Amino acid sequence: SAVISQKPSRDICQRGTSLTIQCQVDSQVTMMFWYRQQPGQSLTLIATANQGSEATYESGFVIDKFPISRPNLTFSTLTVSNMSPEDSSIYLCSVEEGLAVADTQYFGPGTRLTVL
Amino acid sequence: DQQVKQNSPSLSVQEGRISILNCDYTNSMFDYFLWYKKYPAEGPTFLISISSIKDKNEDGRFTVFLNKSAKHLSLHIVPSQPGDSAVYFCAATGGTSYGKLTFGQGTILTVHP
Repeated sequence: SAVISQKPSRDICQRGTSLTIQCQVDSQVTMMFWYRQQPGQSLTLIATANQGSEATYESGFVIDKFPISRPNLTFSTLTVSNMSPEDSSIYLCSVEEGLAVADTQYFGPGTRLTVL
Repeated sequence: DQQVKQNSPSLSVQEGRISILNCDYTNSMFDYFLWYKKYPAEGPTFLISISSIKDKNEDGRFTVFLNKSAKHLSLHIVPSQPGDSAVYFCAATGGTSYGKLTFGQGTILTVHP
C-alpha cells in the first residue's frame, strides 16, 4: 500500500490562528480524503480533495473554515482556519487505492492539534 | 444519525482466546465494510474488508462475518495476542457514498497475557 506522511505530527496553537497540515503520498493516487477525530469520538469525513478542482465538503464542513488544496496526485493540504478549542482533534488524510468502485482507504499517521 | 454503531466501548480477552468485535449498520445502501485497528498516536491501519456479495472473509488470524439481513458484521481474532490491544473501528461505504467511509465509534480491545 501507499506510504503516507503528514506534517506536522502535532501542534499546539492559539485560538484565532490558522494551521496548514500537509499530506504527502509516495505514489500517485486518484482519491484523497481528510478526516477528523475529535477526542473520544469516531472518525468523521471532512472532505474529498479533488486534484485540479475544488474539494467536496461533507455536511457541517465549509471551505472557509477548512480550505483544501490538491495541486497534484501525490500531495494535499488542509488548513484549519480561525481556530477555536473545539477544533482540537486528530486530523488524518487517507488515500484510496485500486480501480474498483469500492476500494480500501489507507491512512496517514495523523496530526494532533491542540487549540488553547 | 449514527449509521454505523459499535455498541461495546471495550472488550477484555485473555491471550490465546477468541476476540469478537461487533458492528451494526442501518444504511441498507452500504455494501462494502472494513475493519481498522488504531494505536494511540498513529493513524488507523487497515485490517480486513468484506463485500456484501460474501458472508465471510478470512485473513490469517482475522475473520470478518457479514449478516446482511441483520445488518450486522463481526470481526473474530483467533488466537488473540497482547499486540492486538488497540482500538478497532468498523467502517462502511456504498450506494452514493462510495469513497466516503462512515465509521463506528470504536471498541477498545485489551488482550491480557
